[in-house]
Amino acid sequence: QQQVKQSPQSLIVQKGGIPIINCAYENTAFDYFPWYQQFPGKGPALLIAIRPDVSEKKEGRFTISFNKSAKQFSLHIMDSQPGDSATYFCAANSGGSNYKLTFGKGTLLTVNP
Amino acid sequence: SAVISQKPSRDICQRGTSLTIQCQVDSQVTMMFWYRQQPGQSLTLIATANQGSEATYESGFVIDKFPISRPNLTFSTLTVSNMSPEDSSIYLCSVQDNTEAFFGQGTRLTVV
Repeated sequence: QQQVKQSPQSLIVQKGGIPIINCAYENTAFDYFPWYQQFPGKGPALLIAIRPDVSEKKEGRFTISFNKSAKQFSLHIMDSQPGDSATYFCAANSGGSNYKLTFGKGTLLTVNP
Repeated sequence: SAVISQKPSRDICQRGTSLTIQCQVDSQVTMMFWYRQQPGQSLTLIATANQGSEATYESGFVIDKFPISRPNLTFSTLTVSNMSPEDSSIYLCSVQDNTEAFFGQGTRLTVV
């Protein structure tokens, strides 16, 4: 049973566009929601993360929106650039110092010049 | 942050053989995690490796197939045993620093 559902599977936007990637979770015990960016041949790298006590978090061009009642969170990339082309994974965990991350299936983003 | 080095970065192996993947971290960490990422797919946790105790395996993964060593706080190995083409995948080592997880670059394994 997949505990974090991610959509879309792939996304193509033009430079300057605002791609939005959505995730939904089922486990109400989850309390940490990171997004990872992965380039081909590289391991995933943390992009931005949010906890459920806030509804939005911005870091540079990346914004997470969080809806606790709907159990959904999304990643928005403002003014997207071709260098943002990568696979993006949402994830979740139930906290603690020895947590295990549950990952979504990933979204392949292509930003055309 | 933690810097993780994995070796080898890629390998092509014959079915029926075994491959040991090494993971070296630049700082001492309590727990290390091993993930599998099949082509175009998400990350699946194989096991959690604690120093000084047996690894904890996730459902669908067993020690006989994926033995893990954790001899100290900066190093771990994952062995993929008796390989079949279905084991072709990227294997990733990960550590945790408070809430942030860091990943190695992965080992791309192809079994022929």
